[in-house]
Amino acid sequence: DAGVIQSPRHEVTEMGQEVTLRCKPISGHDYLFWYRQTMMRGLELLIYFNNNVPIDDSGMPEDRFSAKMPNASFSTLKIQPSEPRDSAVYFCASSLTGVMGTGELFFGEGSRLTVL
Amino acid sequence: SQKIEQNSEALNIQEGKTATLTCNYTNYSPAYLQWYRQDPGRGPVFLLLIRENEKEKRKERLKVTFDTTLKQSLFHITASQPADSATYLCASNYGQNFVFGPGTRLSVLP
Repeated sequence: DAGVIQSPRHEVTEMGQEVTLRCKPISGHDYLFWYRQTMMRGLELLIYFNNNVPIDDSGMPEDRFSAKMPNASFSTLKIQPSEPRDSAVYFCASSLTGVMGTGELFFGEGSRLTVL
Repeated sequence: SQKIEQNSEALNIQEGKTATLTCNYTNYSPAYLQWYRQDPGRGPVFLLLIRENEKEKRKERLKVTFDTTLKQSLFHITASQPADSATYLCASNYGQNFVFGPGTRLSVLP
């Protein structure tokens, strides 16, 4: 398997623009997580899905952020409108068992977002 | 609120020595702790998991301990090499989620 695949790897946009980040999890993994990483706050969980259903979105900063998982092999994280404070690296991770099993997370290489 | 901390932001050691990284948690009791390695510009990579009823786990040059009394996990890299230089993150379950520590940046000097 190719692992978790994220796109784009880098995105530079201007404030107010819409940003869409994409993720393809490992086939057969029922859990998908979106994290944001910054120097100040480290890795923060934004939202996670189980079998394509959002389970916990309490980490989503505000209504400007939304995430979808239309099928088992694809998820998106959208920011509209984007702001400079959204600049961070966004990671997608998938897991076979989620937190109740061994909990091993497989991370993608991340999408580095810069909002000017 | 729950908190997971790593004692050092950065740690420098000499090649061949044992690196010891610390992870402490407060206000909750995790069922397990995990350790990940993260290289610059890359995503974290899972290394080891240790459950609350396990005292020690080993994998090649890596050793992890879990002390529920001290609320602490120690991560050791023996015979360290410059290639071990990276940021190491500890993580645990918290409710239905995972929480991560801030990481320790390890530099192994030749």
